[in-house]
This record gives sequence, structure tokens and C-alpha cells, in this order.
Amino acid sequence: DAGVTQSPTHLIKTRGQQVTLRCSPISGHKSVSWYQQVLGQGPQFIFQYYEKEERGRGNFPDRFSARQFPNYSSELNVNALLLGDSALYLCASSFQNHYEQYFGPGTRLTVT
Amino acid sequence: DAKTTQPPSMDCAEGRAANLPCNHSTISGNEYVYWYRQIHSQGPQYIIHGLKNNETNEMASLIITEDRKSSTLILPHATLRDTAVYYCIVRVDEETSGSRLTFGEGTQLTVNP
Repeated sequence: DAGVTQSPTHLIKTRGQQVTLRCSPISGHKSVSWYQQVLGQGPQFIFQYYEKEERGRGNFPDRFSARQFPNYSSELNVNALLLGDSALYLCASSFQNHYEQYFGPGTRLTVT
Repeated sequence: DAKTTQPPSMDCAEGRAANLPCNHSTISGNEYVYWYRQIHSQGPQYIIHGLKNNETNEMASLIITEDRKSSTLILPHATLRDTAVYYCIVRVDEETSGSRLTFGEGTQLTVNP
């Protein structure tokens, strides 16, 4: 079975631009969560969506937004990019709202 | 979620058991202990979780003390591919709690040949 997939793998953006990251959960999984991992630190929780509704939000500015589609895939949008947004963005899926999560390989975002 | 304390780094010889400790002295009665690991530049990988009984799966064993204030993840026969950062996380496992994981700094396990 395919695991969690994320696209793109890498991308480079300029300060002030906007970016959209995509995630496809494991088949049958209804919950998707997003995490940001800055170099040298553990992942930090950004959002969770379950059954297309936001179920949790971490301590991130409103420049960060997300949504979940009817097929349970998800997008993370970041507006007005800052240099500090450079990080590995991880998507994780789980079967139900509170079950163990399975992570994708991540999208490496570099903001210059 | 309760805070966890892990040693920043550990070494283990290939083929030997790796025992990774985690202290969670403020754990609540309804909080589970989860272990994830992250191999360099990859997404974290779920390993195992438990509430109060010892757990074993194909990857590892989880030993939780009777007072639940600490736990040990055991990799019975460590290989070079087990070199990774290991995260111990405690969290409530209820429908209303969602999926949020709070990662600390973890333990960098290095398996040496």
C-alpha cells in the first residue's frame, strides 16, 4: 500500500511569495495533520483536519492556512513568506481523529 | 500533554540491544506513551505506543514502569539502519484530543559497527 505522499519534494521561493503544499493520506485515512520542522528541532504542530473540518491549530500566524478535500487529501498554504518559514513541512495521516499517525517524506521549503 | 525528558544522545553496538529511556513523571492517568523515530531528512516513523502494560511489535518493545513515570524503548538487535532520532511523546488518546503530537528534542541513537 502507498504511504503518505507529499508534493513537491523541494521548492525554493522568494520572501513575500505564497506557496501551496499538497498531501495525500494513506488510503482509508480520514485525518491529516501538518507539521513544520526547522533544522535541528523536532516537528511543530501546525494544523489537523478530520473529516474536512479543522480539529486543531498550533501556534502559527494567520499566514498559514490549510484545507482538506472530499477525498481527504489536503493543502497547506503559506502567504507572505518569511526567511524563517524555511523548513521541512511534514504531513501525517491517521485512520481516525486520535489514532497513531503516519508521516510522509516532507516538502523542503527554502525561502530566499 | 505531559512533558518528557530524554538523554540527548546514546551509542549502541550493532547487534546489541538498544535501550532508550524516557522520563514522564507528570504523566496523567489517561495519557499514552508513544515512540516515533526520524531517520535523517525523512518523516518521523511510528514505532509503538502503550498505556500501562508492556507492549511488543515487530519493531520494538515498550516497557512502562508500574508507576508510569518512566518507560524504556528496546530495540532487541540494533542495526546500522536504526541510527535515528527517537522521540518519546505522551498524549491523551481520546476522540476529543485530536492527533496533535508534541515533539521534544529526542535522543540521537547512533548504532556503531
